[in-house]
Amino acid sequence: DVKVTQSSRYLVKRTGEKVFLECVQDMDHENMFWYRQDPGLGLRLIYFSYDVKMKEKGDIPEGYSVSREKKERFSLILESASTNQTSMYLCASSPEVAGAETQYFGPGTRLLVL
Amino acid sequence: SQQGEEDPQALSIQEGENATMNCSYKTSINNLQWYRQNSGRGLVHLILIRSNEREKHSGRLRVTLDTSKKSSSLLITASRAADTASYFCATGSGGSYIPTFGRGTSLIVHP
Repeated sequence: DVKVTQSSRYLVKRTGEKVFLECVQDMDHENMFWYRQDPGLGLRLIYFSYDVKMKEKGDIPEGYSVSREKKERFSLILESASTNQTSMYLCASSPEVAGAETQYFGPGTRLLVL
Repeated sequence: SQQGEEDPQALSIQEGENATMNCSYKTSINNLQWYRQNSGRGLVHLILIRSNEREKHSGRLRVTLDTSKKSSSLLITASRAADTASYFCATGSGGSYIPTFGRGTSLIVHP
């Protein structure tokens, strides 16, 4: 079974802190994604990566950066956390197949910024 | 931007009844996927149907796709309380690696 893990289920941070969310997948997938999910807004893509050291902005990249130094690991970084970044963060991976095939999601990290 | 839109937004039924939820989309697709999300958890892939397929089954799930109407439906037969979750459709198009998700249908199955 594909397994996508996220470093924390729940996280509480203070405004202005630098926050790292880690995601690891064990299926040798080329593509990895970071979404945030908010009530009424559905899933919104923050960044995705199609290869090591490669990244593309999604729909809402402002306030975020990412790092992919190894194929299995994709990190989301909040440079200076703000209260409007309180949300559920979901990581996903998928194989390199054009046409957007199945995504495999991690369990999510619920982040609260105070 | 969201391409898939689920309908209804919320659905409440009794255990044993069937649940039907629909997804409409706007542009041509390669495939359409359905996912389930239990409260506070990640999304779990349920089924993928390709644009040249009309119907697909997986256990108690039945998915149909009508590309002429740009719509899909997910039927859960003989529902159980454990089916309580949010259900999302996602469309895959062209050469993109990124599926486009709808906002989901919230299903509650009362025991």
